[in-house]
Amino acid sequence: AQSVTQLGSHVSVSEGALVLLRCNYSSSVPPYLFWYVQYPNQGLQLLLKYTSAATLVKGINGFEAEFKKSETSFHLTKPSAHMSDAAEYFCAVSEMNTGFQKLVFGTGTRLLVSP
Amino acid sequence: EAGVTQFPSHSVIEKGQTVTLRCDPISGHDNLYWYRRVMGKEIKFLLHFVKESKQDESGMPNNRFLAERTGGTYSTLKVQPAELEDSGVYFCASSLGQLQQYFGPGTRLTVT
Repeated sequence: AQSVTQLGSHVSVSEGALVLLRCNYSSSVPPYLFWYVQYPNQGLQLLLKYTSAATLVKGINGFEAEFKKSETSFHLTKPSAHMSDAAEYFCAVSEMNTGFQKLVFGTGTRLLVSP
Repeated sequence: EAGVTQFPSHSVIEKGQTVTLRCDPISGHDNLYWYRRVMGKEIKFLLHFVKESKQDESGMPNNRFLAERTGGTYSTLKVQPAELEDSGVYFCASSLGQLQQYFGPGTRLTVT
């Protein structure tokens, strides 16, 4: 069965610092992987997705993630944090046996950015 | 283009009452999904419609939950009777194909 682990329910960084949000997955077949962001009072917005093409995926707002099969990881990074990045971030996985329709989420990581 | 909309944004009901949540997907999206996040836990899949048909309802917690999508447009999720453990945020999403699900802002349900 698929599962996603996000280490750290809260991550705090200073503005301008590197952002690193960790995601490890468990899947019996090659997965699709996603990062979503939720700003206050808004729905989840797709940041980026991995669909078995390039292992380094670039998303919106300067975020990127690297698929590492050997480590079963899909960590999200951004070189320089901005105050507007403060939000909750969710990693998710889907598999071919569900037609890639059913997303399995991690518990989320809240990113706090201080001036 | 209008996004996925959900109504109401908040609902507070007493245990034993009935609540109906509504989701309007992006126009033309045949796929519609319901998810739920109980406080502090992960967002969990409830079910998936393709047009008006239930494709996968493996995540529905029990028979107190009834989802419908008459005519393949908007969907409703009814909880009857509501229990305390049903409290959480209910998200709806829609998609045209496989790869990107567009989420609504969610309905926060509080059962007291």
